[in-house]
Amino acid sequence: AQKVTQAQTEISVVEKEDVTLDCVYETRDTTYYLFWYKQPPSGELVFLIRRNSFDEQNEISGRYSWNFQKSTSSFNFTITASQVVDSAVYFCALRVVNSGYALNFGKGTSLLVTP
Amino acid sequence: GAGVSQSPSNKVTEKGKDVELRCDPISGHTALYWYRQRLGQGLEFLIYFQGNSAPDKSGLPSDRFSAERTGESVSTLTIQRTQQEDSAVYLCASSLGGGLAGEGETQYFGPGTRLLVL
Repeated sequence: AQKVTQAQTEISVVEKEDVTLDCVYETRDTTYYLFWYKQPPSGELVFLIRRNSFDEQNEISGRYSWNFQKSTSSFNFTITASQVVDSAVYFCALRVVNSGYALNFGKGTSLLVTP
Repeated sequence: GAGVSQSPSNKVTEKGKDVELRCDPISGHTALYWYRQRLGQGLEFLIYFQGNSAPDKSGLPSDRFSAERTGESVSTLTIQRTQQEDSAVYLCASSLGGGLAGEGETQYFGPGTRLLVL
């Protein structure tokens, strides 16, 4: 079975602080994809990043960075110098190639950035 | 280009009535997915279409739920005899699909239909 755990239900930070959103996944398969999506108050899910299980290289995109560690089954997301516009619910998701095409989502982390 | 579109944006219905939700995928995307998001929860997979292949219906919660897709275009999710527990946001997504790795895997979501069953 596959599972994604986002243990942090809600996080509140002050603008310009760095914040890390945790994601831990479970699967026995070796071929899978991991994703992060952002869901702002408007409700539409916005794709942020995709990573396949054979690529453990970390990635940086502007203020966003992702740390993928297969040894701990984690795919954490860090926002540097947070801004009010980063306030949203962030979802981590897993797709195991041999187990259908559905994304298995975590329950999400609600991030509030205050001025 | 245009993203995934869904209609209606909001739907209020009475318990026991049937509802139809529509999804227009991104042009050229062969794969289409329906998910349900209950208040404060993550997304639950409902059904997946890939081209003309038989759909994966493994996530449909009951036989009151059904979905259709004509070719690689519009999809309709139908909920019959709605119950209050059906109240949720219904999200549609599409991807390039066709077994393409990499970018083909990324699902792009529509804005959702907020369904309230009174």
